[in-house]
This record gives sequence, structure tokens and C-alpha cells, in this order.
Amino acid sequence: DVKVTQSSRYLVKRTGEKVFLECVQDMDHENMFWYRQDPGLGLRLIYFSYDVKMKEKGDIPEGYSVSREKKERFSLILESASTNQTSMYLCASSTLAGKYNEQFFGPGTRLTVL
Amino acid sequence: DQQVKQNSPSLSVQEGRISILNCDYTNSMFDYFLWYKKYPAEGPTFLISISSIKDKNEDGRFTVFLNKSAKHLSLHIVPSQPGDSAVYFCAANRPSFKTIFGAGTRLFVKA
Repeated sequence: DVKVTQSSRYLVKRTGEKVFLECVQDMDHENMFWYRQDPGLGLRLIYFSYDVKMKEKGDIPEGYSVSREKKERFSLILESASTNQTSMYLCASSTLAGKYNEQFFGPGTRLTVL
Repeated sequence: DQQVKQNSPSLSVQEGRISILNCDYTNSMFDYFLWYKKYPAEGPTFLISISSIKDKNEDGRFTVFLNKSAKHLSLHIVPSQPGDSAVYFCAANRPSFKTIFGAGTRLFVKA
């Protein structure tokens, strides 16, 4: 059974803190993605990675960075958290062999920045 | 600019009837369109896809229709069941594995 796990379901941080969100997949997928989900805006792509140490900016990369040191793990970093980064963060993975980039999602991390 | 739009935030349907969820897009370069379903406290799960060169794809109770001239796709669920109550996201694939999602439509199926 395919699985994407995220390190925390809920996280509360203070403005200015450095925040790490971790994602692990056990499907040996090449691609990994970070999205944020906000009401009325759907899922918006922050960053994605198609290989170890490779990354590409998505549609809203400002204020975020990522790290992919191992194939199964993709980390999202908020260098200095701000209140407008309060959101649901979703990690996903997919395989290069897939025809239509079907993505498998983790359960999400609800981040609140105070 | 939102390239994939789901204009109905919610939809309520009686059990056993048809549910029709709609999606409009603005970019003709998308090669695949997908629908994902999301239950509360879970990540989205893939439901069904359609290639941009097709106009219909069916999988059990779920059928997706693509009207390229109108840049419109729709998901039909027949018959609707209470377990179908969820948020449905329309999505479109761009080059380089980037997918763009709509805002979602919350479907309520009443027993």
C-alpha cells in the first residue's frame, strides 16, 4: 500500500521562527511536491523535486525553500515564518513512469503561525 | 491568474441522483486533466483522468467529459452515494510534471 507521511498533523509556531516540514514516501517515486491549501484557492504548488538534490520553483515559492538529500524525503523550510504562511501544507509524490502524473498525497500538516 | 476554475464552491445532491461537478480552464497546453477527491483530515486521492485528445473517460460510477472548444470539463457521478460526500478538485497537467488545481467543490450527498 502506497504511503506518504508527514512529520506533524498540527504545528503552531511564532512569527520569525524557522520551520521544518518533513515528508517521506515509500514508493520509490522520483517526483515530490509541496503544496499549500487555502480556502477558495485550492492547492497551490510551492516547490517540487524530480530527483535527489534537484528542485524547481512552483507558483508560490517566496518565503520557502526545500531540501531533498534522499530520494524518499522532501523537506519544506520556512526560513522566517510569517502569519500569512498559516495554512494546510500537503506533500505529494509521483513516478516518472506515470502517464498523467497521478500524485499520492500525505495527510497534510496544518501550520498556524502566531 | 487562475488557469483552472471551479466556480461552484458547493453542491448538494440526493442519494441515487446524478452529481455533476464542473471545471473551466484557460490554457490549451494542458495534456491531461484529473479529478481528485479529498475527505476531511486526509490528503487528496486520485479519482479519474482524461487525456486532452479524448472527450470522455469512464470508470464505474464516475465519468469525465472534456469539451475542448469550450475549455470545460465535468465529472459525473451516477448514482451518487453518501460516501461520495467530499471536496473534489479539478486539476490540469502542465509540462515538467507541474499540476495546477482548481479551488475545489464540496459535494454533499443526502441520504
